[in-house]
Amino acid sequence: GQQVMQIPQYQHVQEGEDFTTYCNSSTTLSNIQWYKQRPGGHPVFLIQLVKSGEVKKQKRLTFQFGEAKKNSSLHITATQTTDVGTYFCAGTMNRDDKIIFGKGTRLHILP
Amino acid sequence: DAGVIQSPRHEVTEMGQEVTLRCKPISGHNSLFWYRQTMMRGLELLIYFNNNVPIDDSGMPEDRFSAKMPNASFSTLKIQPSEPRDSAVYFCASSLAPRLRYTFGSGTRLTVV
Repeated sequence: GQQVMQIPQYQHVQEGEDFTTYCNSSTTLSNIQWYKQRPGGHPVFLIQLVKSGEVKKQKRLTFQFGEAKKNSSLHITATQTTDVGTYFCAGTMNRDDKIIFGKGTRLHILP
Repeated sequence: DAGVIQSPRHEVTEMGQEVTLRCKPISGHNSLFWYRQTMMRGLELLIYFNNNVPIDDSGMPEDRFSAKMPNASFSTLKIQPSEPRDSAVYFCASSLAPRLRYTFGSGTRLTVV
């Protein structure tokens, strides 16, 4: 079935280092969303990208949508302990009417 | 805005018992989703409703699971009979439309012993 693949599954970084998670689809996406889930919490919407090649920033977070609208990335600059959690991408296929979540990337910050 | 409200927050039940999870979506949201999250399988979509009508229930594991949305402000997910492998966190989410941002509830952590 239709899938949104996300890598890596886990990432350990030292506090202050950068972090990137990648999202790929074999099918063109009409949009991509990113969510963050803190340990013990629920997924919380971060951002939505719609346009080919779109780049959006939220403070230390940079989100990109690929030119072909088949991939996306989330980059965090200078990670902090508050960045700990699982980051999910979620895409909508052009012919579909619901979003498909990736498996998520779990980020651990080493002090 | 109270957000998506789920109850109970925690449920511990014995195998074979009926379990009912409840969800109140955000007022005005037309789409409602039930997800199950486990370490092994991640976040799985079980079923979703649009304007109170079930649209896609292909994620419902088996006949033991059923979901209803009798009106725009309430939905239930029922497991009967429950089994230990049903232990998971169950999330309800709502949105204005299936393609738009989802707001998740705090989840129900179900443990079947």
